[in-house]
Amino acid sequence: EAQVTQNPRYLITVTGKKLTVTCSQNMNHEYMSWYRQDPGLGLRQIYYSMNVEVTDKGDVPEGYKVSRKEKRNFPLILESPSPNQTSLYFCASKVRTAEETQYFGPGTRLLVL
Amino acid sequence: QQQVKQSPQSLIVQKGGISIINCAYENTAFDYFPWYQQFPGKGPALLIAIRPDVSEKKEGRFTISFNKSAKQFSLHIMDSQPGDSATYFCAASRGGGADGLTFGKGTHLIIQP
Repeated sequence: EAQVTQNPRYLITVTGKKLTVTCSQNMNHEYMSWYRQDPGLGLRQIYYSMNVEVTDKGDVPEGYKVSRKEKRNFPLILESPSPNQTSLYFCASKVRTAEETQYFGPGTRLLVL
Repeated sequence: QQQVKQSPQSLIVQKGGISIINCAYENTAFDYFPWYQQFPGKGPALLIAIRPDVSEKKEGRFTISFNKSAKQFSLHIMDSQPGDSATYFCAASRGGGADGLTFGKGTHLIIQP
């Protein structure tokens, strides 16, 4: 089954404790992206990657890091989480062509205390 | 600067009625306009999309109307059903696939039986 998976689905942590949210896709997509969703703000792009070893900032990259060492994986790293990073996070992927359909993962709900 | 403005924020429609959600964009370089549907606890999923070379696209009960001169596009859901109750996001992108999606803030739609 073609899908984007994220782990963990739910996470409670404390300020300053480094964490990683994993994202994996099995569709051989070149393009992967991370979004955060906050009430009243919609979805905002954090980082994206056009292909392996190619990443770039989205609209709200502060406080986040990413890496793309393999085509299928695109982890999101919060090296020193803060309460304002409490949010619902989505990973997405798509073929890097004019076809724009992005496939979203199920989401990771993060609470930073 | 919000590049895609969506309204209304919430909408209640009676079963069988027409649901209408509007979006306006600012960047004339946008060349792809999708609508995503999100159910609680799930990631967004592509519902329907349009490119600016057409003024309308219909798929079943869902229609996108596009007004290039006004830089506006809207989603119409005909014969709305309780199963259509979800959050709807309009989005826009450019570059034939090179750029990610810029989302509106979302509309929470409730279809009353």
